[in-house]
Amino acid sequence: EVQLVQSGAEVRKPGESLKISCKASGYTFSNYWIAWVRQMPGKGLEWMGIIYPGDSDTRYSPSFQGQVTISADKSISTAYLQWSSLQASDTAIFYCARPLVAGSFDAFDMWGQGTMVTVSS
Amino acid sequence: EIVLTQSPGTLSLSPGERATLSCRASQSVRNSYLAWYQQKPGQAPRLLIYGASSRATGIPDRFSGSGSGTDFTLTISRLESEDFAVYYCQQYGSSPWTFGQGTKVEIK
Repeated sequence: EVQLVQSGAEVRKPGESLKISCKASGYTFSNYWIAWVRQMPGKGLEWMGIIYPGDSDTRYSPSFQGQVTISADKSISTAYLQWSSLQASDTAIFYCARPLVAGSFDAFDMWGQGTMVTVSS
Repeated sequence: EIVLTQSPGTLSLSPGERATLSCRASQSVRNSYLAWYQQKPGQAPRLLIYGASSRATGIPDRFSGSGSGTDFTLTISRLESEDFAVYYCQQYGSSPWTFGQGTKVEIK
């Protein structure tokens, strides 16, 4: 069974760092792009960026470039999203998602369960 | 960046009625790379339609997508109770991939 399982909810203070994860199973991790999507409380979906674990090719939305870092470790089939200095405005649910077709930019047919990140002093 | 504008913001309908959701793009979506997702409270989005008109695996045939260029439509032919949710369109033809702001389909 294809699955994306994300790490658990996190509570941090402003200025702290954080790295959340998305572990894939049931398919060849290296062959599919993995995206990260933000959903702020009560709001819509925002595409943050995407990584190809096979060669770590990474693309960012201009809105998130320089604000977060996306990485992947293909040896353990896990993608990451990290912040070096969190702000209260980073409070949101973050989803990882996988496209339909290997090696292609495509619609996301597989989603993680989401990781809630709360940043509060 | 392609901006997707969904309308209406909220659609109030009764079970059994037809729902028509619109997604308009600020520029042409390459190859009709337009998807529709359904999201229920506390859940991750679920892919319904890709390539503007292809149903994803396991999606009932009461869901259909159409359109090309800048105008796309999601139609739910007869609403069932489990269809009341928020629906998002997304284009994946040009980076950055973008989502519409969502249409909430609520029970009238």
